[in-house]
Amino acid sequence: KNQVEQSPQSLIILEGKNCTLQCNYTVSPFSNLRWYKQDTGRGPVSLTIMTFSENTKSNGRYTATLDADTKQSSLHITASQLSDSASYICVVTRYLSGTYKYIFGTGTRLKVLA
Amino acid sequence: DTGVSQDPRHKITKRGQNVTFRCDPISEHNRLYWYRQTLGQGPEFLTYFQNEAQLEKSRLLSDRFSAERPKGSFSTLEIQRTEQGDSAMYLCASSLGQGAGEPQHFGDGTRLSIL
Repeated sequence: KNQVEQSPQSLIILEGKNCTLQCNYTVSPFSNLRWYKQDTGRGPVSLTIMTFSENTKSNGRYTATLDADTKQSSLHITASQLSDSASYICVVTRYLSGTYKYIFGTGTRLKVLA
Repeated sequence: DTGVSQDPRHKITKRGQNVTFRCDPISEHNRLYWYRQTLGQGPEFLTYFQNEAQLEKSRLLSDRFSAERPKGSFSTLEIQRTEQGDSAMYLCASSLGQGAGEPQHFGDGTRLSIL
């Protein structure tokens, strides 16, 4: 079954600390993996996209990794800020019969405390 | 680029009433998606359009739900005879095409509350 699982479900950290969010998937055939940030009451916004051949990609304080062999991805946030408080959603794109399908994880809710 | 716009942002209605939501995608985007999101969950796919053609509908989209995109620009999602379980955030997204790297741009959603 094509699924995307994220952990932890929620996380609380102090401002300035680092954290790592996990995404494991069983989606096949794999096309790409994208991390979204969703602020409360807002729509998701794309942070980064990982293709099969990419291992690491950074976007400011956000660094995503991908291990296509183990079907795992992580999103590392460095020197967290209060504005990082949001849900982070992992989305895997599946390519099948000429069309792309997006498989969403349930997200990790991050709370950064002052 | 004004982004994806959804209207209304919030809708409160009594069970059994009909509701209609509107989505205005980014102007040059030909793909438009509707999702439903409940608290603590990721978005669930409902349907998508390529220009004015509705190409796929999820099994989540019961016969009380209907979506249109009459001129390949804005889209509407109508829910008839609303039920308590319809309470959710309804998100619209658009994309320029369906290349592997094309991101979906999401609106801020319409939050529906059924009394």
